[in-house]
Amino acid sequence: DQQVKQNSPSLSVQEGRISILNCDYTNSMFDYFLWYKKYPAEGPTFLISISSIKDKNEDGRFTVFLNKSAKHLSLHIVPSQPGDSAVYFCAASAEDYKLSFGAGTTVTVRA
Amino acid sequence: SQTIHQWPATLVQPVGSPLSLECTVEGTSNPNLYWYRQAAGRGLQLLFYSIGIDQISSEVPQNLSASRPQDRQFILSSKKLLLSDSGFYLCAWSRGTVDYEQYFGPGTRLTVT
Repeated sequence: DQQVKQNSPSLSVQEGRISILNCDYTNSMFDYFLWYKKYPAEGPTFLISISSIKDKNEDGRFTVFLNKSAKHLSLHIVPSQPGDSAVYFCAASAEDYKLSFGAGTTVTVRA
Repeated sequence: SQTIHQWPATLVQPVGSPLSLECTVEGTSNPNLYWYRQAAGRGLQLLFYSIGIDQISSEVPQNLSASRPQDRQFILSSKKLLLSDSGFYLCAWSRGTVDYEQYFGPGTRLTVT
């Protein structure tokens, strides 16, 4: 049962514009959410996270928004750069420190 | 600073052969350790996690097993590989009850032929 869903397998965006990645979850016990970035043949790297007590967290070009009532979170990347081309995974945890991952969204930033 | 190592980086093994993948973490003590698999075009599937030596939990029934012979060493094994075991295997660590963030190693590409 997929508890974390990323319904868009791919996203193409022009350099300098905003990238918006979406993630939905079904488990109401999830209280911490993370985004990871992954290049081919490498391990994922942690990008940004948000606790369920917040609705927004910002770190440089990356902002994560959480809508608990909708069980939805999104990652905004502004402005998008060529180095942002990668697979982005949404993940969630329910206080047990295990992470449930979405299937990922492949972002391609066009010059 | 903390680092995590995995080896080998790539592996091609015939069906029915054994498997041993190793993961070590440096620069921290008492980490939580995890094994994930990423099949082609899929997300990350948690296989095993360990909160301490001799404390290993399996998330998915399969022909794989995990062991933690030392505090910062995590090993993924199989006695007989199946074709379906092919994938990208990732080890990760976290600070246990301190942080939710997990930090991943570089991964091992396993191809079972």
